[in-house]
Amino acid sequence: GENVEQHPSTLSVQEGDSAVIKCTYSDSASNYFPWYKQELGKGPQLIIDIRSNVGEKKDQRIAVTLNKTAKHFSLHITETQPEDSAVYFCAAKGNRDDKIIFGKGTRLHILP
Amino acid sequence: DGGITQSPKYLFRKEGQNVTLSCEQNLNHDAMYWYRQDPGQGLRLIYYSQIVNDFQKGDIAEGYSVSREKKESFPLTVTSAQKNPTAFYLCASSIVSGGNEQFFGPGTRLTVL
Repeated sequence: GENVEQHPSTLSVQEGDSAVIKCTYSDSASNYFPWYKQELGKGPQLIIDIRSNVGEKKDQRIAVTLNKTAKHFSLHITETQPEDSAVYFCAAKGNRDDKIIFGKGTRLHILP
Repeated sequence: DGGITQSPKYLFRKEGQNVTLSCEQNLNHDAMYWYRQDPGQGLRLIYYSQIVNDFQKGDIAEGYSVSREKKESFPLTVTSAQKNPTAFYLCASSIVSGGNEQFFGPGTRLTVL
């Protein structure tokens, strides 16, 4: 089955700098890659997603890139702000069933 | 105001007791999911349901049971057979199968004493 690895587990960046979180997946049939943000004590919320027919997608300060050949995808946050501090999860989903497989999460700290 | 709700937010139970966690959605979504979240473990799928009166085991179904008698409701029972039930439980829903966004509820933190 699908396996998703996420790195790093913890990331600290200075406010205003960029943050990058990387994920790899194992199933070449996976075709949908969402990213979720989870604030303390709350459920995850989708912040951006990408499908396998697209290499990059951007939404204001957030961008996701996908390399299907290498089976990895990344989240880029530019001009980081204090409210970006949270846990971020990458995930992957294939065609075969309804399951989305999540990475173990990255705790992002934005330093003042 | 559409959304997905879970109740209660915090739940305490004694060891050996079964407990049922509630999940309701008014988004008219077909599919619903239960995940368990432990520190450093990410989200692990317990059960999911694509349609009323049907559900499938996820990766960690042992010690749990579900029902899907209504489209909007997908309760999860944590049985006494679950060896380590203390965790944060998240319910989610999506329109249909096939890569659509999953919307998450606020979660229930279960503590078994």
